[in-house]
Amino acid sequence: EDQVTQSPEALRLQEGESSSLNCSYTVSGLRGLFWYRQDPGKGPEFLFTLYSAGEEKEKERLKATLTKKESFLHITAPKPEDSATYLCAVQTSGGYNKLIFGAGTRLAVHP
Amino acid sequence: GAVVSQHPSWVICKSGTSVKIECRSLDFQATTMFWYRQFPKQSLMLMATSNEGSKATYEQGVEKDKFLINHASLTLSTLTVTSAHPEDSSFYICSAREGGTDTQYFGPGTRLTVL
Repeated sequence: EDQVTQSPEALRLQEGESSSLNCSYTVSGLRGLFWYRQDPGKGPEFLFTLYSAGEEKEKERLKATLTKKESFLHITAPKPEDSATYLCAVQTSGGYNKLIFGAGTRLAVHP
Repeated sequence: GAVVSQHPSWVICKSGTSVKIECRSLDFQATTMFWYRQFPKQSLMLMATSNEGSKATYEQGVEKDKFLINHASLTLSTLTVTSAHPEDSSFYICSAREGGTDTQYFGPGTRLTVL
């Protein structure tokens, strides 16, 4: 069965304290891996798509990387406005464009 | 670019009534739209996938007669919750995907409360 697991479930950081979020996946065939940010009471906001092992994408303080079994979202020198839930989702080769979501990591960045 | 809107953003209704939620892609043509449900502090659960002009494909366990989905144009999909009950109260989110691409762009969500 295809599965996506995110860790940690929640993370509290001080402003400027860099860290990484993990997304591990077990799928029959990976077509793409997606990272989204979701603020409370809002829909997910697209961040990155990764397609192959070794690929990296960056946007401001965020960098996403991909291996054959997991993806990391690195947050460098976070600010309070980076506080949100970060969702990882995979699209499988035979999944007809469906996304399988992980449970998310709730990030809180304190000044 | 890639903006998806939903209307209404929140709705309160009485048990037994039907509620329609609209999802629009504002700056692209969405060949495929998706409807999700999200419970508090939980991740998104896919309810159904709809392609323009075709019948929706529902996920296992989702009642197709209760959650009616229409994708009549390349920019509009609607979800109608029929004969709503309190257990249908939830946060409903749509997403849209442009043909030939993989990325789904999400709407802001609709909070449904059934009294």
